[in-house]
Order: sequence, then structure tokens, then C-alpha cells
Amino acid sequence: EIVLTQSPATLSLSPGERATLSCRASHGVSSSLAWYQQKPGQAPRLLIYDASNRATGIPARFSGFGSGTDFTLTISSLEPEDFAVYYCQQRSSWPPTFGPGTKVDFK
Amino acid sequence: EVQLLESGGSLVQPGGSLRLSCAASGFSFSTYAMTWVRQAPGKGLEWVSTISGSGGTTYYADSLEGRFTISRDNFKNTLSLQMNSLRVEDTAVYYCAKDLKSVGYPPYFDNWGQGTLVTVSS
Repeated sequence: EIVLTQSPATLSLSPGERATLSCRASHGVSSSLAWYQQKPGQAPRLLIYDASNRATGIPARFSGFGSGTDFTLTISSLEPEDFAVYYCQQRSSWPPTFGPGTKVDFK
Repeated sequence: EVQLLESGGSLVQPGGSLRLSCAASGFSFSTYAMTWVRQAPGKGLEWVSTISGSGGTTYYADSLEGRFTISRDNFKNTLSLQMNSLRVEDTAVYYCAKDLKSVGYPPYFDNWGQGTLVTVSS
């Protein structure tokens, strides 16, 4: 099973600041990695797939980068609605696994 | 518009059984693999099970130890999860999710239901 590690666990920032979230895989996953956003009481929402492709309707301030074992999700300028928990997920091999999440909260 | 609506969650005693359903609409249901993902209270996301578009291939998390069965009815556009021998640690919100792509495995999840809560407690 591929284990995903996310850092930091919590990121405290203000609106307008840049957020950089990290996801590291225990084994190479090529570009088979996605990012999801989850707000309290809501289902997750797909943001990025195949490491760098934005899903339908996702604003351009969200970008993904990486391949192999190291990936980043960047939010160029935080909007108030971006404060949430972010999960990475790999689909390189079974079982698909999720990282433990990074919470982006208000500083 | 894709819609996924789960139902069937409730309070059940340890050792009991429950059947979850997910009604799908707004897309060609039989074209896409479908998945159950769960989230224990205050915890992260855990993949549970995936079924291919035809229903002929299924995948399960090892942690389930054969207690759950995923199925689908492509005529009724419905996904199901039969859960037996439930344990306290199965307590979670269960989401059904649609695969982003119609080919390739494992899936990404581009549409999710609102979730249904399963509580296993005596």
C-alpha cells in the first residue's frame, strides 16, 4: 500500500496570502495524484487530478505540481472560502489511498 | 448535473447488518466505476470499495475482512453497499463517489454524494 504523508498538518494564513501544501508518497506514483478540498459538514471536492490538471470549475488560483514521490498544491492568493482541509490521493496502484490532510485555517 | 444521493445510514448494534444505497443521475451510470469512501468522525478519508461500470469487477479494502459487498444496478442507476458483522470502528459517514474517468484504475473521484451516517454502537 502506498502511504501518503502531508505537511504541514495545519497552515495558518490570512486571506490574500499564498498557501503551499505538500504531499509525499512512500513509493513513486508517477503523476497519478489528486487533491481534494473539504469544508466542515460537506463532501470533498476534487480540485486537481493527474498532479496538475484542474478539475472542472476550479479557479485558476489553485495549481498542482510534482511527479514521482513529491507533490505540491499551491493556492496563489487565499480567498475566505479556501479555508478548509485539503487531502491528496493516489491512484497509481490499489488500494487508492488518501493523505491525512492539511488544514488551512485563519491566522 | 451529476447527482448522487445516499441513503440507509442509521444506528446499528455491533454484529448487525446494514445496506446503503446511492441513487445516481445526470450521467451515463454504467460507463463509470463507482466507489464508497468513508470518514470516521473527526478523521480523514478512507477508501472502502470500488465496482467497475459493468459490475463485473470489485475491489475492497483489506481492513473490511470480507464483511462488505458492493453491487450496482445499471438499470436503476443505483449503487449499494451491504455491510455485515459491523464493528464500532465502522462508524463513519459513508460517501458514494463517481470516477472522474471512464477508463483506468484506481479511480479519482469527481462527484460525491452528501454522505450517510452509520453509527455502530450498543
